[in-house]
Amino acid sequence: GQQVMQIPQYQHVQEGEDFTTYCNSSTTLSNIQWYKQRPGGHPVFLIQLVKSGEVKKQKRLTFQFGEAKKNSSLHITATQTTDVGTYFCAGPEGAQKLVFGQGTRLTINP
Amino acid sequence: SQTIHQWPATLVQPVGSPLSLECTVEGTSNPNLYWYRQAAGRGLQLLFYSVGIGQISSEVPQNLSASRPQDRQFILSSKKLLLSDSGFYLCAWSFFPWNTEAFFGQGTRLTVV
Repeated sequence: GQQVMQIPQYQHVQEGEDFTTYCNSSTTLSNIQWYKQRPGGHPVFLIQLVKSGEVKKQKRLTFQFGEAKKNSSLHITATQTTDVGTYFCAGPEGAQKLVFGQGTRLTINP
Repeated sequence: SQTIHQWPATLVQPVGSPLSLECTVEGTSNPNLYWYRQAAGRGLQLLFYSVGIGQISSEVPQNLSASRPQDRQFILSSKKLLLSDSGFYLCAWSFFPWNTEAFFGQGTRLTVV
């Protein structure tokens, strides 16, 4: 089946530093989704990318979808303590399943 | 608007005891329904998904089962819990097909002792 790999598994930064997490799929994706899970909480949808090479921004967050639609990245500029959590990418497998990456856990030193 | 309810929020159960976790969705019809499990500090493992009443697909062989007795109700069960069943269980729903976001319940933190 489809595999979605995400790196790094953990990232610790100083507040104000940038952060990037990368997502790679074993197959071409129709779209890729990003979720954030705060400590003790449940995953919450952030964004969906559909087009090859697409770039979307949400304030300090920049999301990219690769040209081959097999990889994606999330970049946070100037991290804040509110950015703490685990970031997941997810890609559809067929029309019925959503396969998640293992997530990148971001911790921040204030 | 749509809402998803999952309960209980936390559960401590002895080894060998049965389990029943319930999830209901309101405000939509014929949703795709999903059960995920998350071990501490780990990713989301898809356990079961359902595209309709009585239609259950299992992703991994395990000690758990799922049922969908009504369109917007999804139940996760076990006859005898194992220590390895401990984890954070998340119910989710989406519109068919997976071209829009998934909505997660608050989760159930299960500890088997």
